[in-house]
This record gives sequence, C-alpha cells and structure tokens, in this order.
Amino acid sequence: AQTVTQSQPEMSVQEAETVTLSCTYDTSESDYYLFWYKQPPSRQMILVIRQEAYKQQNATENRFSVNFQKAAKSFSLKISDSQLGDAAMYFCAYRRIGTASKLTFGTGTRLQVTL
Amino acid sequence: DGGITQSPKYLFRKEGQNVTLSCEQNLNHDAMYWYRQDPGQGLRLIYYSQIVNDFQKGDIAEGYSVSREKKESFPLTVTSAQKNPTAFYLCASSVVTGGEKLFFGSGTQLSVL
Repeated sequence: AQTVTQSQPEMSVQEAETVTLSCTYDTSESDYYLFWYKQPPSRQMILVIRQEAYKQQNATENRFSVNFQKAAKSFSLKISDSQLGDAAMYFCAYRRIGTASKLTFGTGTRLQVTL
Repeated sequence: DGGITQSPKYLFRKEGQNVTLSCEQNLNHDAMYWYRQDPGQGLRLIYYSQIVNDFQKGDIAEGYSVSREKKESFPLTVTSAQKNPTAFYLCASSVVTGGEKLFFGSGTQLSVL
C-alpha cells in the first residue's frame, strides 16, 4: 500500500522569506502523480502544485516549486517570498496512474507566517 | 459556475441515529470520493465511485454507506454503527483516468450531541 509521510507537524516562516515543507512517500509503482494541497482556515482544499513522476523537471507555479527526487521518494514544497495568505495546512498527496486511482494524503504540515 | 456542493455545512447526530451528507457536482466528472478528516490528521478515504451504480470501499468504510444512482450525486450515510462519527467530511470529484486533480467541496462538520 502506498503511504505518504510528512514529518514536520508545524513550520514557521517570516513574511518574504522562503520555507521548504518535506514529504516522503512509499510506492512500488513507477508511474504516479504527486500533489501539494493547501487547506486554509476555511477548510477548503486548494491544489497548489502537481508533479508527474515521469517528468524529470520540477514543477513550478509562481512562488511555489517542488524538489522531486524520485529515487529517494521525496517531494518537498518550496514557498518563496512567503505571504500572510500562505498560512494554512499543507498536505502532500500521492495518486497512482490508473482508473482506480484514489488520492492518498499525508498528515499535513501547519505553516505559520509571521511579520 | 461548475463545482461541488456539500450540504449541510454543520450537522448534529443523536445517539443511534443515521444521518446523510449530501454531495452534488456539476463538473460532469465520473469519479466521486468521500474523505474524513480528524483534527491534526490528514484525509482518509471512506468510499469512492468511478461510475454510476458502482462504488468501492476505501480505507475506513466501516459504519458508512453510500449510493450512486446519478452521476451528479454521491450521498454518504453515517450509520449508528459508526461509533466515532465526529469529524469533518469532504466530498471530491475527478475525471477517472490520468492524474487529474481532485476538486473538493467545502465540507460538512458532523458532531455528536
């Protein structure tokens, strides 16, 4: 079974600084997708970024980028120029390719942004 | 606008009572999912469905039931057999194939009276 591990329950970053959230996963599949979701206090789940395992290039979305290390099964999220609105729970998630592909989540990292 | 609608936003259950959470989507997605979120924890899959009239158990299906009579609707019933139902419930949908993202509803907070 696939598992996703986020070892940092809480992180803090100052406004305008950079922070990296860690995620590791375990799978025997070679093709899959990895995601970072953000959950603000409203509790709405918002997709931040997605990475296809077959792509070597790391995904980037504006201030958000990932460091995908397939061999190490590591998928960290880097937030640059942190803003107050980035404060939220961040969940790493895995989804294998296929018609029965459910999303498996990690336990989340709570990110605080300070002035 | 296309999206997923969950209702109600808050729900209270009495001892021994079954309650049903509603989830409707107008995204024309074939796949729909129910997740449970407990404080300080990630999302755990309860049930999912890839097509009308078919659904599969997720990781924590005991004490729950679902139906999928229409493509747009995937209601979740929390039965009296679920002894610890207090949680935040999220419904999601997606296309079936590929690595498309899940679209989530705004959730239902279920509490026990």
